[in-house]
Amino acid sequence: GQNIDQPTEMTATEGAIVQINCTYQTSGFNGLFWYQQHAGEAPTFLSYNVLDGLEEKGRFSSFLSRSKGYSYLLLKELQMKDSASYLCAVRAGAGNMLTFGGGTRLMVKP
Amino acid sequence: DAMVIQNPRYQVTQFGKPVTLSCSQTLNHNVMYWYQQKSSQAPKLLFHYYDKDFNNEADTPDNFQSRRPNTSFCFLDIRSPGLGDAAMYLCATSDGTGIPYEQYFGPGTRLTVT
Repeated sequence: GQNIDQPTEMTATEGAIVQINCTYQTSGFNGLFWYQQHAGEAPTFLSYNVLDGLEEKGRFSSFLSRSKGYSYLLLKELQMKDSASYLCAVRAGAGNMLTFGGGTRLMVKP
Repeated sequence: DAMVIQNPRYQVTQFGKPVTLSCSQTLNHNVMYWYQQKSSQAPKLLFHYYDKDFNNEADTPDNFQSRRPNTSFCFLDIRSPGLGDAAMYLCATSDGTGIPYEQYFGPGTRLTVT
């Protein structure tokens, strides 16, 4: 089986930087995804890491360390609209299916 | 725009009354997925189709069935909904399952069981 852990809730201030961590234990690792999900809406793709290192995409960056089973999503210049749940998902196993973490609910305050 | 469409967005059914949720896609992706997401929880994969090949997750209840009559459409049938089946049901698609294929999600159908 797979085990994916991320904090349940985080709070940050508009304009600040926030880092959301995700740790995982899995076999047959084949990539890690971050999705953003606003309340009552579908998840939308943010980033994908399969090799170690940092992937930068505008205000969002994602980091992966396969040896440590660790990833983080970094959000810069926070905006109110960034208030959402952020889901870490690991693709693994023979079927390459995604297993999602429980999500981190981020609240951005003025 | 190419997209994943789910109908209806909100569905109310009675305890034990069969219900069908539908998903269609204009992306021409060969893989389609159904997830169940309960409030404040992670999406949980129920099953997926790779082309016409059906793949059921080991812990998906027998109460849940699926049909994929063609590439574009996929249905989720709940034969006898219980109160515990109230959830958001998410359909997703991908163009293959290997690197780097990401999954594209539809807006979801929120199911209420009365």
